[in-house]
Amino acid sequence: GAVVSQHPSWVICKSGTSVKIECRSLDFQATTMFWYRQFPKQSLMLMATSNEGSKATYEQGVEKDKFLINHASLTLSTLTVTSAHPEDSSFYICSARDGGHRNQPQHFGDGTRLSIL
Amino acid sequence: GNSVTQMEGPVTLSEEAFLTINCTYTATGYPSLFWYVQYPGEGLQLLLKATKADDKGSNKGFEATYRKETTSFHLEKGSVQVSDSAVYFCALTPNSGGYQKVTFGTGTKLQVIP
Repeated sequence: GAVVSQHPSWVICKSGTSVKIECRSLDFQATTMFWYRQFPKQSLMLMATSNEGSKATYEQGVEKDKFLINHASLTLSTLTVTSAHPEDSSFYICSARDGGHRNQPQHFGDGTRLSIL
Repeated sequence: GNSVTQMEGPVTLSEEAFLTINCTYTATGYPSLFWYVQYPGEGLQLLLKATKADDKGSNKGFEATYRKETTSFHLEKGSVQVSDSAVYFCALTPNSGGYQKVTFGTGTKLQVIP
């Protein structure tokens, strides 16, 4: 079964609203989670690295005030797309690894399809 | 549904050895195929991709050819370096348009020893 749960799986909302996406590790603690974005027919792009208890590390070109990341606990990271516009429409994916075991594989959420009208 | 199967790791090689990481997939139609690399402590990075049958993706000495007849996208490198030590993920996305779910393999850890 899934070990990383991402919610919601699909959201449609009006331009100007803010959307929060949750990423939960279900049976392990994740000190680090990653957020990715995928455009249609393209590869994943790393947006930011989410660290529990500290500020996220954003990749170059990603607006940190636009994409707010909070990693308040060892099992939950959230990505909030603030004042979303149609160009923010995309597929967002999170991933996490069991922080206590270096050789554990990376687990991916099922992704969130975001459509801004 | 779609699926990606990668060879189990870890794979341990000596420097300058030849690398092959097998990847096979199940999907309808003609998906796009990707190899991603994840270095310790970092997020995924795209290594190479191929979007149609017989395409060859290449980058940093790595190559993979989209084989429709064998539904495979094996990753190869002629001479690995210690700096290639990482986890490699094979992935696919449908080419049916829109925002489609990415399907990942389980990842293969590569350890290159001097």
